[in-house]
Amino acid sequence: DVKVTQSSRYLVKRTGEKVFLECVQDMDHENMFWYRQDPGLGLRLIYFSYDVKMKEKGDIPEGYSVSREKKERFSLILESASTNQTSMYLCASSSGTEPYEQYFGPGTRLTVT
Amino acid sequence: GENVEQHPSTLSVQEGDSAVIKCTYSDSASNYFPWYKQELGKRPQLIIDIRSNVGEKKDQRIAVTLNKTAKHFSLHITETQPEDSAVYFCAASRGYGGSQGNLIFGKGTKLSVKP
Repeated sequence: DVKVTQSSRYLVKRTGEKVFLECVQDMDHENMFWYRQDPGLGLRLIYFSYDVKMKEKGDIPEGYSVSREKKERFSLILESASTNQTSMYLCASSSGTEPYEQYFGPGTRLTVT
Repeated sequence: GENVEQHPSTLSVQEGDSAVIKCTYSDSASNYFPWYKQELGKRPQLIIDIRSNVGEKKDQRIAVTLNKTAKHFSLHITETQPEDSAVYFCAASRGYGGSQGNLIFGKGTKLSVKP
């Protein structure tokens, strides 16, 4: 049974702080993804990685960076948090071969004040 | 750029009725079309998917159809039950390489099934 975990369910940070969100998967998946979920906007891709130390920008990478030093772990970094980054952040992983089903983590609700 | 449009944004049906959610995609290279269900406070989970070499797929009360020529695909839920109430997301695979399984999602449909 695939398990994707995220470091926090709820997080409150102040404007300008550096924020780390961590995601761990236990299925040896090659692909990992970070999404942002906002009401009425669906799931928007921030960054993804298809291999260790590889990363590619998604649709809304501005203000974010990522790190993938180990296959099972994918971190999302907000260098200087801003109030417009208040959102639900979802991590997902999938195999690099078929089937390409993405398995999601429980999400981190980040509030920046 | 690539885009997935999903309609309607909200849908309310009576228990036992059918529900249909429609999506269109822009990238002709898309070849994988999954549907995810997200119950309130929970993570999205795959409920059904279809590949571009298949026109229709069914799993009990849910079915998905794909029209490649028109670039649209639909989710059909029959005999709806209150536990079908959730937000449903369609998605299409992105055509460019690098990572298979990279998806672009629609904005979601909130389905409410009234008992």
